[in-house]
Amino acid sequence: GESVGLHLPTLSVQEGDNSIINCAYSNSASDYFIWYKQESGKGPQFIIDIRSNMDKRQGQRVTVLLNKTVKHLSLQIAATQPGDSAVYFCAEGNDYKLSFGAGTTVTVRA
Amino acid sequence: GAVVSQHPSWVICKSGTSVKIECRSLDFQATTMFWYRQFPKQSLMLMATSNEGSKATYEQGVEKDKFLINHASLTLSTLTVTSAHPEDSSFYICSATTRFAEAFFGQGTRLTVV
Repeated sequence: GESVGLHLPTLSVQEGDNSIINCAYSNSASDYFIWYKQESGKGPQFIIDIRSNMDKRQGQRVTVLLNKTVKHLSLQIAATQPGDSAVYFCAEGNDYKLSFGAGTTVTVRA
Repeated sequence: GAVVSQHPSWVICKSGTSVKIECRSLDFQATTMFWYRQFPKQSLMLMATSNEGSKATYEQGVEKDKFLINHASLTLSTLTVTSAHPEDSSFYICSATTRFAEAFFGQGTRLTVV
């Protein structure tokens, strides 16, 4: 499944499939980008980050891609699990200050 | 990752009273902490930047006399909502930044003003 952030704020994905969550950022001077996961009633949980001098970074089951030309950030989740159901936020950082995107709600279907 | 503890996790108060929320970095020193506010089904909105030993920097539209921020040490920042009203009911979240510029968040405080 794939989401385009503000235009499709929800993403439904079958368990075991790969998920792609997209985010457009606004500030070309941002040098730090982070993906967070937020479960209901909890604070954001760090997933993965990437600095502006990179275009790809991989973690455990997650990959973040950064395209500075079009100011686009994506999060790929491999083999999506029920525990991945949450709201996902991208954030862009500049001088320690973060600005958050609107968030994408991911629902994993069993 | 680093641990940021926020207390209390929820609070109910009467209109007109003040409420203090604490944010602690447990295993690192944070010269900068941030306070966010989040309404249901919305993103986090930055309220203010809290710097240890100096005055907080507030975002446009945030009343500094209503949301008092104190950052007395490298591991503690507090947010006091003064003369709370029902419209102040929200989810308040703090974050602390490590020296590597990584931001870690507290678990949030659900404030309900009745």
